[in-house]
Amino acid sequence: DAKTTQPPSMDCAEGRAANLPCNHSTISGNEYVYWYRQIHSQGPQYIIHGLKNNETNEMASLIITEDRKSSTLILPHATLRDTAVYYCIVSFRDDKIIFGKGTRLHILP
Amino acid sequence: NAGVTQTPKFRILKIGQSMTLQCAQDMNHNYMYWYRQDPGMGLKLIYYSVGAGITDKGEVPNGYNVSRSTTEDFPLRLELAAPSQTSVYFCASSKDVSNYGYTFGSGTRLTVV
Repeated sequence: DAKTTQPPSMDCAEGRAANLPCNHSTISGNEYVYWYRQIHSQGPQYIIHGLKNNETNEMASLIITEDRKSSTLILPHATLRDTAVYYCIVSFRDDKIIFGKGTRLHILP
Repeated sequence: NAGVTQTPKFRILKIGQSMTLQCAQDMNHNYMYWYRQDPGMGLKLIYYSVGAGITDKGEVPNGYNVSRSTTEDFPLRLELAAPSQTSVYFCASSKDVSNYGYTFGSGTRLTVV
């Protein structure tokens, strides 16, 4: 079973920051938080991952709370192309990622 | 660099037929995975492989078989197709356990009638 809880859907205005929350209260000390997204019926796309420090790349930022029980994915300037299902995943390592139901993000023009 | 290539893109099978879904990657990735995604649902892991000659079951392996004779290829075999196997199948690969993220193929849409 997925170890994360995400809201089923969210809306965000185009050009604003999209903040997607994820709860992972049972995360172990050696487990990473991964984020993927799936646009329409395409294969999922890796976004970012982190262990305990905040992370940033060209796509997004990942903020992990100090107790590591929750995290937030931030898309700084959402565009219509960011409309997708976003999956938050907790995994010990990269070799067996289990997907949950994710959050369906709607970017509104 | 093609990434992860899946064939065919679409297929209709009759109940009881068999088929092999092909997956190939040209990134020299050791790890490869098969997922299925039913309509409106998340992805379920079927099988995975951490290297040539090594495979292991995921969440929903029943009704499927895999082999990994080379680093590049990871075919998924369906024996005795059933309507419950109607789904979109995604293959993915990753470099190793150093957290590079998965690269997914574009999927195979399978309908069993």
